[in-house]
Amino acid sequence: SQQGEEDPQALSIQEGENATMNCSYKTSINNLQWYRQNSGRGLVHLILIRSNEREKHSGRLRVTLDTSKKSSSLLITASRAADTASYFCATVLSGGYNKLIFGAGTRLAVHP
Amino acid sequence: EAGVTQSPTHLIKTRGQQATLRCSPISGHTSVYWYQQALGLGLQFLLWYDEGEERNRGNFPPRFSGRQFPNYSSELNVNALELEDSALYLCASSSRGGPSYNEQFFGPGTRLTVL
Repeated sequence: SQQGEEDPQALSIQEGENATMNCSYKTSINNLQWYRQNSGRGLVHLILIRSNEREKHSGRLRVTLDTSKKSSSLLITASRAADTASYFCATVLSGGYNKLIFGAGTRLAVHP
Repeated sequence: EAGVTQSPTHLIKTRGQQATLRCSPISGHTSVYWYQQALGLGLQFLLWYDEGEERNRGNFPPRFSGRQFPNYSSELNVNALELEDSALYLCASSSRGGPSYNEQFFGPGTRLTVL
C-alpha cells in the first residue's frame, strides 16, 4: 500500500493563482520529497525536506512539514501554464529504509 | 552535466518474452533505483542497487531482476512478460549514502508495452 496520499487528486486554476497540494503519510519518515511529472515522462525533483525541518522554499515553491500530523503541503505561488503537471510526494521511511514511497499524485492544470 | 539516461524509450514485447531495460546514472552516482509506474497502481519501488549489489527489493516477483555494472550503469530484466507488466519503468540515481540523505534524480523512463 502507498505511504503517501495526496489531496486533491486534481486541481484546476488560472494563471497567477496559487496552488496548494497536500500529502499525508502513515509512518515515521526520514525525509519527504516532492516531484513533478510532465505527460507521463520522467520525474523532476522539486524539494527534499527532512523530518527535523518545518519549512523550505525554492523559488515559487514552498513546502511545509508537520510530523505531528504526518502531513506536508506544497504551495506553488503565481502559477504559470508551464506548471501544469502531476505532482507527487514521496517519503523515505526512518529506520534504515532506503526507497521512495510515492503517493498517488495531484494533477494540476493551470489555464492561461 | 548529463542526467540519468534510459534506453530504449519504447519497447514492445509479446506475452512470455523477456525485456531488458538499461539505465546510466549521473556521473559520480553509485546508487541506481528502478520504479514501475503502471496505470492505476502508481509509482512503485522495484529495486535498489549500490556498488554493484542489490540492496533492497520491492514487492515484485522474482522474474523482475537486474544488475549493476562496474561503471554503475544498470539493467532491469523482466522474464516471462505478462500483460500487466505494461508500464513506464523509471530509473533514478543518487550519490553515495542512499536516498535517506540524498535526492534521487530520475531518467525519462522506458515505456514497456506487452501485447
